[in-house]
Amino acid sequence: KQEVTQIPAALSVPEGENLVLNCSFTDSAIYNLQWFRQDPGKGLTSLLLIQSSQREQTSGRLNASLDKSSGRSTLYIAAPQPGDSATYLCAVSTSGTYKYIFGTGTRLKVLA
Amino acid sequence: DAGVIQSPRHEVTEMGQEVTLRCKPISGHDYLFWYRQTMMRGLELLIYFNNNVPIDDSGMPEDRFSAKMPNASFSTLKIQPSEPRDSAVYFCASSLETDLWGHSGNTIYFGEGSWLTVV
Repeated sequence: KQEVTQIPAALSVPEGENLVLNCSFTDSAIYNLQWFRQDPGKGLTSLLLIQSSQREQTSGRLNASLDKSSGRSTLYIAAPQPGDSATYLCAVSTSGTYKYIFGTGTRLKVLA
Repeated sequence: DAGVIQSPRHEVTEMGQEVTLRCKPISGHDYLFWYRQTMMRGLELLIYFNNNVPIDDSGMPEDRFSAKMPNASFSTLKIQPSEPRDSAVYFCASSLETDLWGHSGNTIYFGEGSWLTVV
């Protein structure tokens, strides 16, 4: 059974200090991995999608990497701003299905 | 497109009452997902549909929960009878298996959620 873990559960960083969020999964037979952002009281917004054949994806100040063999993904946020404060979740889908299993998220606070 | 639309946004109901949550996916999307989010358990997949057909309902907690998708633009999640432990945020999401350029993506688009409180 696929399990997705995100550590730490919460993180505070000063504005402008680059940071990395971690995601680990137990079953390396994944199809896709996505990173999402969730603001309080809101739904989830997809930030980046990495297919199993890819190693990384970039969008603006965000860079996500995927290492299937070690069961890890990282989300790098460059020059974070207070507006980046939110909960970040990763989710993996298992090969042959479109079921996404979510981690519990990392609650990020960027201090001005 | 307006995105995934869910209703109601908030509902407070008494234990034992029937609750119906509604979802309109993004037009043209062929996958629809129902998730439940709680502080204790995080985000859990309840059921998902492909082309209106339920594919996997293994996450539906009990027989009190049922979901339907009568057409490509509408789905319901029903709880009957409701219990206090059903209190959670219920999200509907949709995705497209292959985009117009033939890229397989499955980027998931979430609605704003239905906040359910059962007292």
